[in-house]
Amino acid sequence: KAGVTQTPRYLIKTRGQQVTLSCSPISGHRSVSWYQQTPGQGLQFLFEYFSETQRNKGNFPGRFSGRQFSNSRSEMNVSTLELGDSALYLCASSLAPVGPDTQYFGPGTRLTVL
Amino acid sequence: GENVEQHPSTLSVQEGDSAVIKCTYSDSASNYFPWYKQELGKRPQLIIDIRSNVGEKKDQRIAVTLNKTAKHFSLHITETQPEDSAVYFCAASDPAGANSKLTFGKGITLSVRP
Repeated sequence: KAGVTQTPRYLIKTRGQQVTLSCSPISGHRSVSWYQQTPGQGLQFLFEYFSETQRNKGNFPGRFSGRQFSNSRSEMNVSTLELGDSALYLCASSLAPVGPDTQYFGPGTRLTVL
Repeated sequence: GENVEQHPSTLSVQEGDSAVIKCTYSDSASNYFPWYKQELGKRPQLIIDIRSNVGEKKDQRIAVTLNKTAKHFSLHITETQPEDSAVYFCAASDPAGANSKLTFGKGITLSVRP
């Protein structure tokens, strides 16, 4: 099976702009989680989607949002970008509909905000 | 929510020696504990995981132990090799997120000296 894919791999934006990142899960996986990775904070959970519904949400401001489509592909959006939003954004997919299961990560999107 | 602490933050060992990385978690209801390895510029990869109904799990040179009473779990790597050099993240499922949300430690950089 093909692994988790993310597009684009790299993005450069300026403060105030918005950005949309895309994640395609492993075929058959219906859960997609998003994480922000920075050197100082490690991997921080943004949100999780399952069957087009947001099932979990982390402690990020409302500028961070996401959605999931009927084919399980997911997008996350960050509006009004700030310098501190520069990070590697990782998505991960998993199979199990309930409870914990192995999460498989994509390669990430490196976002730089200038 | 769950809180995961990982220590030490860096570890250097001689090739062939063993390495032990420890993590503590806060929520006794957490029931899934994965370990991920992330090489420079690559995605996190699951290397081993353990569920709360098991005290120890082994896969070749890698083992994980879980102490539910003390709320800590450890990664053991034996006969370390230079290719084991990477950042290792521990995580715990968050019961507040119906266990489908993972909370990660901040990671430890393991260096294996040839």
